[in-house]
Amino acid sequence: GAGVSQSPRYKVAKRGQDVALRCDPISGHVSLFWYQQALGQGPEFLTYFQNEAQLDKSGLPSDRFFAERPEGSVSTLKIQRTQQEDSAVYLCASSPTGGSSYNEQFFGPGTRLTVL
Amino acid sequence: KQEVTQIPAALSVPEGENLVLNCSFTDSAIYNLQWFRQDPGKGLTSLLLIQSSQREQTSGRLNASLDKSSGRSTLYIAASQPGDSATYLCAVRGYGQNFVFGPGTRLSVLP
Repeated sequence: GAGVSQSPRYKVAKRGQDVALRCDPISGHVSLFWYQQALGQGPEFLTYFQNEAQLDKSGLPSDRFFAERPEGSVSTLKIQRTQQEDSAVYLCASSPTGGSSYNEQFFGPGTRLTVL
Repeated sequence: KQEVTQIPAALSVPEGENLVLNCSFTDSAIYNLQWFRQDPGKGLTSLLLIQSSQREQTSGRLNASLDKSSGRSTLYIAASQPGDSATYLCAVRGYGQNFVFGPGTRLSVLP
């Protein structure tokens, strides 16, 4: 079946521009996660949704970062007034059920954001 | 706060060798631990998921062990092949829903 997909795969933005990154989770998956991966580092947690509810946004680095999942499926991560330090790969993951920490997470290919 | 480290940071071995990658975590109160593989420019591919009640998991040439009390996990790769070259990441899941990742081990298997 189809896995997690993300678009665009690559995004180049000028400093100060707003960007929107899209994640299509595996159909029927309740939980959705966003991670940020800097070059040469492991991914770091940004935010977590269970259906349309954003249950944890403790990893968002600033108020320029905003995520939504209005219908409990597709999610968008928006970054306003991008800065060079926002350059990273943004990974989306989904998990079949919510409220359980025992489930595997399935990752998308990521969006590589470069801010000039 | 959970911290995850991985040793070594990089490893280069000749084809056919057996090898061990190490992962350590500071807080033993975890639900599970997952090993991933990441190829350059790609997302993460899940290799093995070990629940906190388990000691090990096996898949083909891969074997992952978990010693929760000491905060350690190892990934054993038997008879390594050039196609195994990638970055290997371990991640632990505590009482929150998200994973905490280590920085990864970059593996090169030389033909």
